[in-house]
Amino acid sequence: KAGVTQTPRYLIKTRGQQVTLSCSPISGHRSVSWYQQTPGQGLQFLFEYFSETQRNKGNFPGRFSGRQFSNSRSEMNVSTLELGDSALYLCASSLLALGLTGANVLTFGAGSRLTVL
Amino acid sequence: GQNIDQPTEMTATEGAIVQINCTYQTSGFNGLFWYQQHAGEAPTFLSYNVLDGLEEKGRFSSFLSRSKGYSYLLLKELQMKDSASYLCVVMDSNYQLIWGAGTKLIIKP
Repeated sequence: KAGVTQTPRYLIKTRGQQVTLSCSPISGHRSVSWYQQTPGQGLQFLFEYFSETQRNKGNFPGRFSGRQFSNSRSEMNVSTLELGDSALYLCASSLLALGLTGANVLTFGAGSRLTVL
Repeated sequence: GQNIDQPTEMTATEGAIVQINCTYQTSGFNGLFWYQQHAGEAPTFLSYNVLDGLEEKGRFSSFLSRSKGYSYLLLKELQMKDSASYLCVVMDSNYQLIWGAGTKLIIKP
């Protein structure tokens, strides 16, 4: 079956602009979670969506937002971009919602690498 | 606060064995994962431990000691394709995932 698909793979923006990233989960997976990855830091949890509802949100400013559609595809949006937003943005899908069970394996997409100039 | 420590970088020789350590301090514990991430690619699941002891899966094994807040990933018969970052992830009492910064493993011929 198809894996997790993220688009676009690479993008360059300037400060103050906004960006929208897309994630299509594995068919049948209803949980989509988003992460920011920067060099030398672990993955930072942004938020999780399950059945179109945001279940959890990490410690990021309100400029970071997301949504999930009825087909489980998810988008995240970053407004008023800052230089520090340059990172690899990863989404992961799972069959079960995060926080309900331990052995819940995440399947990641290849990521969207955002560069803010 | 919650914290996961793992070495930033390790170097090993093809065919050898390497152990990547991970220590954690989290609010409760509901399991520990190891993920592998090749440069420019997505992390992929390697192992999951929730009880103390060793879990073996082919050339890879993962060990957990909950009382010591300690885990290690053991890679045997190293191959060049094992060059990657290895991420230690702990699930806390609220089932939230806490990610380590990763250990970059360099394999030399």
